[in-house]
Amino acid sequence: AQSVSQHNHHVILSEAASLELGCNYSYGGTVNLFWYVQYPGQHLQLLLKYFSGDPLVKGIKGFEAEFIKSKFSFNLRKPSVQWSDTAEYFCASLGTGANNLFFGTGTRLTVIP
Amino acid sequence: EAGVAQSPRYKIIEKRQSVAFWCNPISGHATLYWYQQILGQGPKLLIQFQNNGVVDDSQLPKDRFSAERLKGVDSTLKIQPAKLEDSAVYLCASSPSSYEQYFGPGTRLTVT
Repeated sequence: AQSVSQHNHHVILSEAASLELGCNYSYGGTVNLFWYVQYPGQHLQLLLKYFSGDPLVKGIKGFEAEFIKSKFSFNLRKPSVQWSDTAEYFCASLGTGANNLFFGTGTRLTVIP
Repeated sequence: EAGVAQSPRYKIIEKRQSVAFWCNPISGHATLYWYQQILGQGPKLLIQFQNNGVVDDSQLPKDRFSAERLKGVDSTLKIQPAKLEDSAVYLCASSPSSYEQYFGPGTRLTVT
């Protein structure tokens, strides 16, 4: 069955530190991958997406993610985090057929000023 | 552009009671999704509509959950009767295509 794994449950960083959140997917066929963010009290928002082409994808607010097919990974990165990046981050994979999203369990990021 | 609207934002009910949630998608979006997000987990799809037809309801507990999308616009999700394990945030999302989904603020349900 298609699934997405996020192994970091809670990450705490100081401002200006670099960020990398792990995401692994299980599906071996064509993959469409997403990172969503949920800021405190707000709804889920799309950060970035990968469908095909350049495996290094740039999103909003300075985030980027790299699709590594050999590792079944799609890790999220940011070179220097800000306090305003405190949020919950979800990796997701688009299902085949009905095109619904399969989400990971999420990673809570806390950035300390 | 207005986003996905959901109501109510919060609901507290006792087990065995009934509850209904409403979703108004972004205008023109043909696809509508309902997700259940239990605390500490990622959202899980309950049902997907394309216009007013059901595309996928394989994860919907049909003995107690039902959903409809009249006229291909608004949608209602109902739980009857509710169980303690139904406590969760219920998210509605809509999409103009098969790929990018726009989420509403969710309805937080607490079953006591």
